[in-house]
Amino acid sequence: KNEVEQSPQNLTAQEGEFITINCSYSVGISALHWLQQHPGGGIVSLFMLSSGKKKHGRLIATINIQEKHSSLHITASHPRDSAVYICAVEGTSGSRLTFGEGTQLTVNP
Amino acid sequence: GAGVSQSPSNKVTEKGKDVELRCDPISGHTALYWYRQSLGQGLEFLIYFQGNSAPDKSGLPSDRFSAERTGGSVSTLTIQRTQQEDSAVYLCASSFVASGSTRQFFGPGTRLTVL
Repeated sequence: KNEVEQSPQNLTAQEGEFITINCSYSVGISALHWLQQHPGGGIVSLFMLSSGKKKHGRLIATINIQEKHSSLHITASHPRDSAVYICAVEGTSGSRLTFGEGTQLTVNP
Repeated sequence: GAGVSQSPSNKVTEKGKDVELRCDPISGHTALYWYRQSLGQGLEFLIYFQGNSAPDKSGLPSDRFSAERTGGSVSTLTIQRTQQEDSAVYLCASSFVASGSTRQFFGPGTRLTVL
């Protein structure tokens, strides 16, 4: 079993839909990261959080430390949100990231 | 530039040859990371440097892989006697402080193809 599990692996939505991507992890962490990888391969850090909730534009990330679970929400989705979304955790003994397998999101117009 | 840069962007080499991949982190960032993404696979950690501390090499897949960081800035990842399974995108990232959980900024990657 991977230390970081994401679901779903693939997600197709219609423009305007509310989207949720889930991430569960099995190890102690100091922080959890959500990354976005565009079709060209570039990776952008969306959020880094260790508790509670963060919001940036139409994106919201939440984490429940007790349940070892995080969610990434996209409100009013748009085709330009189409990308791979990757959950990664930062261990308690260093900054190396352990990655989930990613969620391929496709938003159709 | 303001971001992390990597060179070359693409590298095609023959099996058995050595390759060097370069990473220029964001100025002032004390931590530097190397990751690898094989085709159709997730990202995996290779090595990270933090200031003058000994690097964490625990992710290097074999002794053919090595990395150094000169002057606390530029880093070079070297793969000796390349194998076809080394084909992947090699990503570098940097962050301001390694401890205390800070955001990592990724470079565009070097796509390595071993024929």
